[in-house]
Amino acid sequence: DTGVSQDPRHKITKRGQNVTFRCDPISEHNRLYWYRQTLGQGPEFLTYFQNEAQLEKSRLLSDRFSAERPKGSFSTLEIQRTEQGDSAMYLCASIGRDTEAFFGQGTRLTVV
Amino acid sequence: GNSVTQMEGPVTLSEEAFLTINCTYTATGYPSLFWYVQYPGEGLQLLLKATKADDKGSNKGFEATYRKETTSFHLEKGSVQVSDSAVYFCALSYYSSASKIIFGSGTRLSIRP
Repeated sequence: DTGVSQDPRHKITKRGQNVTFRCDPISEHNRLYWYRQTLGQGPEFLTYFQNEAQLEKSRLLSDRFSAERPKGSFSTLEIQRTEQGDSAMYLCASIGRDTEAFFGQGTRLTVV
Repeated sequence: GNSVTQMEGPVTLSEEAFLTINCTYTATGYPSLFWYVQYPGEGLQLLLKATKADDKGSNKGFEATYRKETTSFHLEKGSVQVSDSAVYFCALSYYSSASKIIFGSGTRLSIRP
């Protein structure tokens, strides 16, 4: 158990629907990351929060994607008008004082 | 930009064989280097890390040495077990509050009994 929890673990949605994922980081960690992982690939960076501030967004994060971290605790990642190409594993990670990242088990999204 | 390149898999070995998974990186300055492991159906777990040149990270019989002169961080294990079957990711990051982790594409390792 890494201490980072993600919900749901699996999500199947129809194309065009909106989905929202939640990540609860380790409580004392102020840095939170979202990554996307497709089959056979390494995780790709999506966005990063330091406390409640969103400091960086990847070009992969189109305007259909939005992430929030109110109050610097849990974070949500919303995808609007889902497309089949959004099917992937969405990973959340948190980092404390050093560079070691702790990952959640991910949310697997399937868009049908 | 910064990047990580690791050997493509899958790698299939017999139990007790010697393992090497190559990893090289491109980066400015002095990043920290990591190996993460992903077991089937699970998230990524940190396997080992090294934060400066010539450091050796080790864990569970795995080792990797931070080689700045060759920009490499190859993963080795002297005698693999079936339970080592997983996907292994090499990664780099900087000790900075504004730093993201950059991953290689992963190497799938399968160990035959």
